[in-house]
Amino acid sequence: DIQMTQSPSSLSASVGDRVTITCRASQNITNYLNWYEQKGGKAPKLLISGASNLQSGVPSRFSGSGSGTDFTLTISSLQPEDFATYYCQQSYSSTRTFGPGTKVEVK
Amino acid sequence: EVQLVESGGRLIQPGGSLRLSCAASGITVSENYMNWVRQAPGKGLEWVSNLYIGGSTYYTDSVKGRFTISRDNSKNTLYLQLSSLTAEDTAVYYCARSVMRKDGFDIWGQGTMVTVSS
Repeated sequence: DIQMTQSPSSLSASVGDRVTITCRASQNITNYLNWYEQKGGKAPKLLISGASNLQSGVPSRFSGSGSGTDFTLTISSLQPEDFATYYCQQSYSSTRTFGPGTKVEVK
Repeated sequence: EVQLVESGGRLIQPGGSLRLSCAASGITVSENYMNWVRQAPGKGLEWVSNLYIGGSTYYTDSVKGRFTISRDNSKNTLYLQLSSLTAEDTAVYYCARSVMRKDGFDIWGQGTMVTVSS
């Protein structure tokens, strides 16, 4: 199975900060990488698919990049509603896997 | 309105069996790639299983041989049959769909809680 790692596991940031989260796959997944946001025990929300394709309705301050094994989620200017946990997920393999998550907390 | 609604979660004893349901509205289950994802209390997301449009099914290693994913096209409902349950299966179970085989999961249900405890 493809293993996914994320770093950092948590970070503290302030409103207006630029935030970068990294995700790494254990093998080449081309661009089959998705990012989700989860708040307060609610269902996750798909932010980005195909490594860099922003879902409809997702603010443009979110962006994704990368290919192969290394990927990045960037929030260009953190807003109050962005304090949440972010997960990457590979969809290259029929058996999907999520990363362990990155919790973005208030500094 | 597009909606997935899970049900069937409850407190169950170790070794027991349970069937979870995911009723869809606004989409057709048989025309989408459907998934089950779980989240243990205080933990991250874990993909559990998926059912392809063509009928192929896949499972994470920890549930192979114990869980079975299926669908009833006449009821437009996805199911997950859970058996030989252990405390490690305690989690909120979400159903989710992707439109294309390698897409992300763009629609999620609200989740249903399964608690395995004596």
